Amino acid sequence: DADVTQTPRNRITKTGKRIMLECSQTKGHDRMYWYRQDPGLGLRLIYYSFDVKDINKGEISDGYSVSRQAQAKFSLSLESAIPNQTALYFCATSDPRQGRETQYFGPGTRLLVL
Amino acid sequence: GQQVMQIPQYQHVQEGEDFTTYCNSSTTLSNIQWYKQRPGGHPVFLIQLVKSGEVKKQKRLTFQFGEAKKNSSLHITATQTTDVGTYFCAGRAGGTSYGKLTFGQGTILTVHP
Repeated sequence: DADVTQTPRNRITKTGKRIMLECSQTKGHDRMYWYRQDPGLGLRLIYYSFDVKDINKGEISDGYSVSRQAQAKFSLSLESAIPNQTALYFCATSDPRQGRETQYFGPGTRLLVL
Repeated sequence: GQQVMQIPQYQHVQEGEDFTTYCNSSTTLSNIQWYKQRPGGHPVFLIQLVKSGEVKKQKRLTFQFGEAKKNSSLHITATQTTDVGTYFCAGRAGGTSYGKLTFGQGTILTVHP
């Protein structure tokens, strides 16, 4: 969905490096999420934010941090990248005012940690 | 915490055959959603089920929500090559109509022409 964008789309980094993945949305949604996707493990929630002042840990937050700079922007940081953080990362948004609160996903960032 | 298990992990079918994926939650759900991810793409919402025993259809796709609201299934009749992709179920914990979802592991569907 072009309304949710992620940068970069692909990233190769080395163990120990700090990297930031960025997510921007033009949907006007208050709620934003970061997931990682690994083969056979599905989508696992890293962090989520229900508004600019709200940050919550998901099921696999260790080794990650986030920043909600504005309603439209939600960044994910890996303070010291390690190889098992190699994965496909998705940002998503949702609007609780919708009847079914669908999640809208960005195109994903493919991260390789060497 | 809440767990959502989905089986099978992989399914290979010949075009025209039927396909079913099953989703089971460790706890009662308030609602369940289904998403499809095409190869190289991102998950896209298909449908939401809310009521106990609910059945919804979208053309060749039939979605069911169990009576106890702990399981769900997606059935595709007469698969086509356009059905290729990964299908995810995602549940919301009972008592919360909104908020975060717990995703199943997904079923990867391959359709051979």
